Amino acid sequence: EPEVTQTPSHQVTQMGQEVILRCVPISNHLYFYWYRQILGQKVEFLVSFYNNEISEKSEIFDDQFSVERPDGSNFTLKIRSTKLEDSAMYFCASRGTSGRFNEQYFGPGTRLTVT
Amino acid sequence: GENVEQHPSTLSVQEGDSAVIKCTYSDSASNYFPWYKQELGKRPQLIIDIRSNVGEKKDQRIAVTLNKTAKHFSLHITETQPEDSAVYFCAASIGALYNFNKFYFGSGTKLNVKP
Repeated sequence: EPEVTQTPSHQVTQMGQEVILRCVPISNHLYFYWYRQILGQKVEFLVSFYNNEISEKSEIFDDQFSVERPDGSNFTLKIRSTKLEDSAMYFCASRGTSGRFNEQYFGPGTRLTVT
Repeated sequence: GENVEQHPSTLSVQEGDSAVIKCTYSDSASNYFPWYKQELGKRPQLIIDIRSNVGEKKDQRIAVTLNKTAKHFSLHITETQPEDSAVYFCAASIGALYNFNKFYFGSGTKLNVKP
């Protein structure tokens, strides 16, 4: 069964540095999402992406965040200048448009630690 | 926006017993309610979902019930086994084929099934 993949599994970075989290969604999916989970808290929606543009973003997704689908397979989340409070597990998800179209398939996550 | 509350945060049962996890939601427009299971270090995986046009759905030992009037839905696991031990997340969304249906997650329930 196809799966969403994410790299790296764990990223440690210093405050103020830029990080790029990478995701490869399921190949025929058209909707893409980033969620994050701060330790001990809920999984929170960050952004959704469709047709090469952001379709919706939460208040968490400020100017420090950006997303891109650079080559038709990868889907990236960039944090320009990381803060301590960006430390979290970041999940990518994708969704198709036929069959079980409501279901979002999640990647294994990238644990981001900002020191 | 939507707010999903989930209880209990931890649940410990004896193998063979039943487990029930409850969620409430606030937005009456929500119409799709998935449940995800996350084993330690692995991705969240959909185990069952329900749409608002049905009140109950069953898949072997797992069932979900939905009360639209009260805005709550529950996960029922019967004859629990040690491999059911995991964190379970409920979610709510406004699901439709061509919208972006971001998920609002509950805070998770850590289920421990004791052999």
